[in-house]
Amino acid sequence: AQTVTQSQPEMSVQEAETVTLSCTYDTSESDYYLFWYKQPPSRQMILVIRQEAYKQQNATENRFSVNFQKAAKSFSLKISDSQLGDAAMYFCAYRRPETSGSRLTFGEGTQLTVNP
Amino acid sequence: DAGVTQSPTHLIKTRGQQVTLRCSPKSGHDTVSWYQQALGQGPQFIFQYYEEEERQRGNFPDRFSGHQFPNYSSELNVNALLLGDSALYLCASSWGQGEIEAFFGQGTRLTVV
Repeated sequence: AQTVTQSQPEMSVQEAETVTLSCTYDTSESDYYLFWYKQPPSRQMILVIRQEAYKQQNATENRFSVNFQKAAKSFSLKISDSQLGDAAMYFCAYRRPETSGSRLTFGEGTQLTVNP
Repeated sequence: DAGVTQSPTHLIKTRGQQVTLRCSPKSGHDTVSWYQQALGQGPQFIFQYYEEEERQRGNFPDRFSGHQFPNYSSELNVNALLLGDSALYLCASSWGQGEIEAFFGQGTRLTVV
């Protein structure tokens, strides 16, 4: 079974600074998808960024980028120029390619605080 | 374009009772998954419905059951509620069995007293 581990229960960053959230996963599959979701107090999960395992290039979405290390099974999220609106719970998630997009395995989450 | 909608938003039930939660998927989506998110934890997959059938199931007891209707909306039923069933229940939808991205609703907060 696949597992996802987020070893940082809480992180904090100053506004406009950069922060990196860590995620490791365990799988025997060679092809899969990885995601970072944001869950603000409104509770709705919002997709931040995704990475296909077959792609060597790290995904980037505006201020959000990932460092995908397939051999190390590591998938960290870097948030640049942090904004107050980035404060939320962040979840790393894994999905096997042959399953539907809505079946995900989540980590335990990292609560990000952004200080003004 | 309506996203994923869930009802009710909050619910309080007594131990031993039964509860039904509802989910309408995003327009154009036909696959619905349900998750249980205990306080301070990550969501745990309960089961997934596609073409009105349960296709995949996580490690949850038979007290948890579901249904999908011809319009793709779905229900999650929990029987014989336990205090430990108190959680946020999230619904996620996607299109078909191969779409990469899932879209989530805002969840139903269930409290069992």
